[in-house]
Amino acid sequence: LAKTTQPVSMDSYEGQEVNITCSHNNIATNDYITWYQQFPSQGPRFIIQGYKTKVTNEVASLFIPADRKSSTLSLPRVSLSDTAVYYCLVGFKAAGNKLTFGGGTRVLVKP
Amino acid sequence: DSGVTQTPKHLITATGQRVTLRCSPRSGDLSVYWYQQSLDQGLQFLIHYYNGEERAKGNILERFSAQQFPDLHSELNLSSLELGDSALYFCASSVDSRAPTEAFFGQGTRLTVV
Repeated sequence: LAKTTQPVSMDSYEGQEVNITCSHNNIATNDYITWYQQFPSQGPRFIIQGYKTKVTNEVASLFIPADRKSSTLSLPRVSLSDTAVYYCLVGFKAAGNKLTFGGGTRVLVKP
Repeated sequence: DSGVTQTPKHLITATGQRVTLRCSPRSGDLSVYWYQQSLDQGLQFLIHYYNGEERAKGNILERFSAQQFPDLHSELNLSSLELGDSALYFCASSVDSRAPTEAFFGQGTRLTVV
């Protein structure tokens, strides 16, 4: 069953690091993991993508362990403007490349 | 602004009716994706087109259909509408056919079925 699972919500404070984990047990070797950010009344916005080990860009890092059954989005030194819903997305090739979003993690950054 | 244009922004219609949602991808993007977002179902993948051809299908109902035209714009047709079809419908586009990839989302069409 192609499924992705992530925590419903988490709170943090300005300047802290936020780590959001997504579980995707049935991921295949070359299935990619992508993360999006969504603000109210807007379309999701791409953050980062990877399929193994670690990927880093100017806004986030993505950690993928060797078994690839989960992945962790890391947001360094969050600010109030990072308050949003974060989604992981996996394209399960074995399921006909069905793109499957997690339920979203609502991150609240407090002053 | 993502460069992806969706029209209309809002749509209110009655049960049993048919509507068409339109999406213009970013210039140069060949892939178009359609998603449905509702409070109880979250973000659901509906369908992916690449350069006019269907590439992948998700949880798209038989009452729904889509197509991508030669000029690369896409339309999502929803028929025999039910109250449960009320949702935000997003279109996204990307350069290549590999999915998932960095895709750019439009602002969405909010459909209300009454």
